[in-house]
Amino acid sequence: DGGITQSPKYLFRKEGQNVTLSCEQNLNHDAMYWYRQDPGQGLRLIYYSQIVNDFQKGDIAEGYSVSREKKESFPLTVTSAQKNPTAFYLCASSIDFRRQEGNGYTFGSGTRLTVV
Amino acid sequence: DQQVKQNSPSLSVQEGRISILNCDYTNSMFDYFLWYKKYPAEGPTFLISISSIKDKNEDGRFTVFLNKSAKHLSLHIVPSQPGDSAVYFCAASAYNQGGKLIFGQGTELSVKP
Repeated sequence: DGGITQSPKYLFRKEGQNVTLSCEQNLNHDAMYWYRQDPGQGLRLIYYSQIVNDFQKGDIAEGYSVSREKKESFPLTVTSAQKNPTAFYLCASSIDFRRQEGNGYTFGSGTRLTVV
Repeated sequence: DQQVKQNSPSLSVQEGRISILNCDYTNSMFDYFLWYKKYPAEGPTFLISISSIKDKNEDGRFTVFLNKSAKHLSLHIVPSQPGDSAVYFCAASAYNQGGKLIFGQGTELSVKP
């Protein structure tokens, strides 16, 4: 079955630590995205990647970094510079960055990050 | 600037009645709209979509209406069921502006038995 896998489901981070959230897809999708969900604020775009070896900042990229070395993988690193990292993080992919017909994005099941 | 707005954070409906979720947008270049449903601690799942060349799209109990002049879309669920209780996000994209989806804040629907 094709889909997107996010791991881990729950992650705890100490103050000052960097942590990396994994996102893997086997849908052969070109585009991948990272969103953050906070209560009452919906889904806010952190970073997106249209193709391998390319990515752009979204609306709230400060304190985050990404890489796209393989088509299947788009890991997100939450750095110590992110002042309020506790949130639910969602990874998504789409066939093509420019075309969102049909189902639009396919989402992973998310990672809940908590700073302790 | 919030380009896609869902002004009702929550909605409570009796089982069997109609649920109407609303969404407003400001960008007149948006040409494709989607609704996603999300349960706690899970990723959103696609529900229904509509192209700007249509004003209505129906799929079973779910119907989406688009009013381009008012820049408004709505999702109707008839009849509502307890399993419909979830957070609903509307999203919009503009093909000639890169195509990425812009999401609203979400509306939490509670369907009471």
